[in-house]
Amino acid sequence: SQTIHQWPATLVQPVGSPLSLECTVEGTSNPNLYWYRQAAGRGLQLLFYSVGIGQISSEVPQNLSASRPQDRQFILSSKKLLLSDSGFYLCAWSVFGELFFGEGSRLTVL
Amino acid sequence: DQQVKQNSPSLSVQEGRISILNCDYTNSMFDYFLWYKKYPAEGPTFLISISSIKDKNEDGRFTVFLNKSAKHLSLHIVPSQPGDSAVYFCAASDKNGGGSNYKLTFGKGTLLTVNP
Repeated sequence: SQTIHQWPATLVQPVGSPLSLECTVEGTSNPNLYWYRQAAGRGLQLLFYSVGIGQISSEVPQNLSASRPQDRQFILSSKKLLLSDSGFYLCAWSVFGELFFGEGSRLTVL
Repeated sequence: DQQVKQNSPSLSVQEGRISILNCDYTNSMFDYFLWYKKYPAEGPTFLISISSIKDKNEDGRFTVFLNKSAKHLSLHIVPSQPGDSAVYFCAASDKNGGGSNYKLTFGKGTLLTVNP
């Protein structure tokens, strides 16, 4: 069966520091991968999606970036975090119209 | 521009009663709709879905109704249980011109509290 893992689960970072969140999927090949963010009062916002290695589409202009170095690995990064980057970040993969989410990563930027 | 709207941020019901969660959408290209349930500090989990060719889909205590002319869908939970207390997200998808990339647009969520 397919599983999805993301880490770290919680992260407290100062403004201006870098960020790296990692997500891996097991049990499937060539999945579509997604990064979502849940911020207070804003629901789930799609940040990036990827249909294959090295293929990244950005939905929201911001200081975040994503990379897909391997088929089942998806990384969310930032060179310099802003206060507004605080939120709950979710990695997901999809099949036949349904999204399956990871456990989430809580990022607090101070 | 919010394409999927859940206008009630919260809902409180008594155990055993019906919970009705509502969702409206504006994009007429949406053809697949889903409900997700989310507990605090966890990722959302898929609950139930409906294709635009149907107007009702039922799975146990959960039923989703779709009114395409009104661009409205609702999730009914009968009977409601305290374990149903969670945030419920409505989501919609258009298949991006027939491609395989299923991008979902989510509403802001409704916090359901079921009181014992």
